Amino acid sequence: DTGVSQDPRHKITKRGQNVTFRCDPISEHNRLYWYRQTLGQGPEFLTYFQNEAQLEKSRLLSDRFSAERPKGSFSTLEIQRTEQGDSAMYLCASSLAAVGTEAFFGQGTRLTVV
Amino acid sequence: AQSVTQLGSHVSVSEGALVLLRCNYSSSVPPYLFWYVQYPNQGLQLLLKYTSAATLVKGINGFEAEFKKSETSFHLTKPSAHMSDAAEYFCAVRSPLGSYIPTFGRGTSLIVHP
Repeated sequence: DTGVSQDPRHKITKRGQNVTFRCDPISEHNRLYWYRQTLGQGPEFLTYFQNEAQLEKSRLLSDRFSAERPKGSFSTLEIQRTEQGDSAMYLCASSLAAVGTEAFFGQGTRLTVV
Repeated sequence: AQSVTQLGSHVSVSEGALVLLRCNYSSSVPPYLFWYVQYPNQGLQLLLKYTSAATLVKGINGFEAEFKKSETSFHLTKPSAHMSDAAEYFCAVRSPLGSYIPTFGRGTSLIVHP
């Protein structure tokens, strides 16, 4: 297994454009998380899926953000009408649903909105 | 609600000196606790985890942490710092109840001087 992979690693976009990120979790993991990390801060929870169901969303996830996990495999995070404040590292993680198990992180997608 | 507090946004040590990174948690039930390391422009890598077994937990790269319920602490230590330990370190808590979403601290940047 190659671990959690995210694509792209870097994205530069103009304000107002839409962007989409992809995350491929570890294959046997049924939980998938999205976090956002800004400079000098820890990861902040955005949303998570158990299999294909999106079970919780943070208040940080505005209406411009949407996430999907069709068929419980890979996930996409879309940001519509990007704003400069969306510039951050977007991290994806996956885990088993069992209590006490750790989350495994991808290398992240760094978004810069100009 | 669960949370972690990492005291000190930056810790500076000399190579060979003791490393001590502090983490205090808040949880209504005994939690699961984790330490992760992050190198620049990378995702998070698990160092160690506490899941209610032994209170002294050994991790990778010579790090260890001790769970102290009376102090609600889970401090990370390493007897002798190496230049390669310079990175950002995050403490995380995960409740054994509810949605098990990992919550992260703001991180501590470890600086190692030659």
